[in-house]
Amino acid sequence: SAVISQKPSRDICQRGTSLTIQCQVDSQVTMMFWYRQQPGQSLTLIATANQGSEATYESGFVIDKFPISRPNLTFSTLTVSNMSPEDSSIYLCSVEIYAGQSTDTQYFGPGTRLTVL
Amino acid sequence: AQSVAQPEDQVNVAEGNPLTVKCTYSVSGNPYLFWYVQYPNRGLQFLLKYITGDNLVKGSYGFEAEFNKSQTSFHLKKPSALVSDSALYFCAVKQQASNTGKLIFGQGTTLQVKP
Repeated sequence: SAVISQKPSRDICQRGTSLTIQCQVDSQVTMMFWYRQQPGQSLTLIATANQGSEATYESGFVIDKFPISRPNLTFSTLTVSNMSPEDSSIYLCSVEIYAGQSTDTQYFGPGTRLTVL
Repeated sequence: AQSVAQPEDQVNVAEGNPLTVKCTYSVSGNPYLFWYVQYPNRGLQFLLKYITGDNLVKGSYGFEAEFNKSQTSFHLKKPSALVSDSALYFCAVKQQASNTGKLIFGQGTTLQVKP
């Protein structure tokens, strides 16, 4: 597995502002992902953070709203831009760990709980 | 399209009794199947997975799951529930041939274990 940390753990923000969430992993990983978990809902993939290139976004998510950086194999950021109350969610990063004959297991960070007023 | 269904929003069991949390899936080709648990104010913790091989998979904290290809199910089980097992459980699927890493999650099932 891997040790994954996120900052901040929670925040309360005003509408119209932006928040950048950081995800740090204790080892180099190939694949990093960002998910959103709206209140009382399941997880939805926002995008795959690609090292050295633009992130790959899922349907319904756009770069202008959720810009992502991944400068190296252990770190990524997700920005939630021009926030509205509908953006209130838990945002989780995950990494995929390969061990031997392909484990394809994703491990998740503790999440960032965002409340937009 | 890939999908995962967890038909029960909540499962209630008494401590010491066996528990089952249900999951069915729809995916083209062979699936990779996963169970995660989420405790309040915590991230998701990996419990177990099915990739190939034995249909009965054992995971963390005494949990196990059985892959049933004909019923397209992957139910989570534990022989004897603990109060500390009370949490939100998610089933997830990934298409084996996928190179995107994308997981599709079910809606989640809240497990309540009462003393």
